[in-house]
Amino acid sequence: GENVEQHPSTLSVQEGDSAVIKCTYSDSASNYFPWYKQELGKGPQLIIDIRSNVGEKKDQRIAVTLNKTAKHFSLHITETQPEDSAVYFCAASIPGGYQKVTFGTGTKLQVIP
Amino acid sequence: NAGVTQTPKFRVLKTGQSMTLLCAQDMNHEYMYWYRQDPGMGLRLIHYSVGEGTTAKGEVPDGYNVSRLKKQNFLLGLESAAPSQTSVYFCASSYGRGLNQPQHFGDGTRLSIL
Repeated sequence: GENVEQHPSTLSVQEGDSAVIKCTYSDSASNYFPWYKQELGKGPQLIIDIRSNVGEKKDQRIAVTLNKTAKHFSLHITETQPEDSAVYFCAASIPGGYQKVTFGTGTKLQVIP
Repeated sequence: NAGVTQTPKFRVLKTGQSMTLLCAQDMNHEYMYWYRQDPGMGLRLIHYSVGEGTTAKGEVPDGYNVSRLKKQNFLLGLESAAPSQTSVYFCASSYGRGLNQPQHFGDGTRLSIL
């Protein structure tokens, strides 16, 4: 089955710096890659997603890149702010059936003011 | 528009007790899911449903049962709670047709089994 590895597990950055979280996946059939942000005491919330026919997607300070050949994708957050502090999860989804989603183990991002 | 609502938010049980976790969504989604979240292990799928009246096992189904009698509700049951079931449980839903769609999550139920 699909295996998603996520690094690093923790990340501390100074406010205003950039943060990068990387994920790799194993199943070449995966074609949808969402990223979720989970704040303390809350459920994961979608922040950005990318499909396999696109190499990069940007939404204001957040961008995601996908390299299908290498089977890895990354989340980039620029000009980090204290409210970006949270746990971030990457995920990979295969088509068909119940749209199975495999999650990474999460990255705890701390933005230091 | 409440999205996905889970009840209760917290619960403490004794070993051997039973309980039902409730999940309701108001987005008319076809697919619903139950996950458990444990430290360092991400989210693991317990059971899922692709429509009213249908359910199926996920990665870690042992010790749990589910029912989906109405499209908007998905219930997770623990018949005889064990300490290993101490976890945070999340319900999610998605549109479920055509291209893969993002899942929408509730805020979780924090369950402790003593």
